[in-house]
Amino acid sequence: QTVVTQEPSLTVSPGGTVTLTCASSTGAVTSGYYPNWFQQKPGQAPRALIYSTSNKHSWTPARFSGSLLGGKAALTLSGVQPEDEAEYYCLLYYGGAQLDVVFGGGTKLTVL
Amino acid sequence: QITLKESGPTLVKPTQTLTLTCTFSGFSLSTSGVGVGWIRQPPGKALEWLALIYWDDDKRYSPSLKSRLTITKDTSKNQVVLTMTNMDPVDTATYYCAHRPIVVGAAFDIWGQGTMVTVSS
Repeated sequence: QTVVTQEPSLTVSPGGTVTLTCASSTGAVTSGYYPNWFQQKPGQAPRALIYSTSNKHSWTPARFSGSLLGGKAALTLSGVQPEDEAEYYCLLYYGGAQLDVVFGGGTKLTVL
Repeated sequence: QITLKESGPTLVKPTQTLTLTCTFSGFSLSTSGVGVGWIRQPPGKALEWLALIYWDDDKRYSPSLKSRLTITKDTSKNQVVLTMTNMDPVDTATYYCAHRPIVVGAAFDIWGQGTMVTVSS
């Protein structure tokens, strides 16, 4: 069974920069896994941030960016705001962009 | 504006079958490339993808739950229905439906508010 791994928790200071990563048990994450990133705040539904590695939705703040880094998908927040404190989930496609997807375990980001 | 809303029972007994309905607006499930998926989240735990149905009636299921899931669509009613058999207390979770857009590589861009389902006798 495919496992997608994220850091359980990270802490960042307001105004700082932080990078969250997303690894696959099958090996290096490439653009063919079409990494997606989601933000979820307590009591709310997830909100999509990034798709296909680095593409932003129209509502995604400019301080969020996606990339591939060292065989993993990465989400970087630059100039972190207090409202960025949330759980972040990555999602990877397996077998192509219209096949199965797997969510990562989530990263709890604390802004302190 | 795309919206989705989940509906169904809030409480089911162990071994029963769960039927959830996702009613959506702002898009058509007959448009090429579009899909609707179901995702769940047990309390305090991570998101778990369950199933996805595409405009052409292609259906994808989580390998670990495939034997228990069925996803169908009613394009005329703008609804997608998920059934899960043999419910167990570990299936207690918030169940979300979400829009899968046409854009290649975009998973679920718009989500419903979710519906909490508790499995208990």
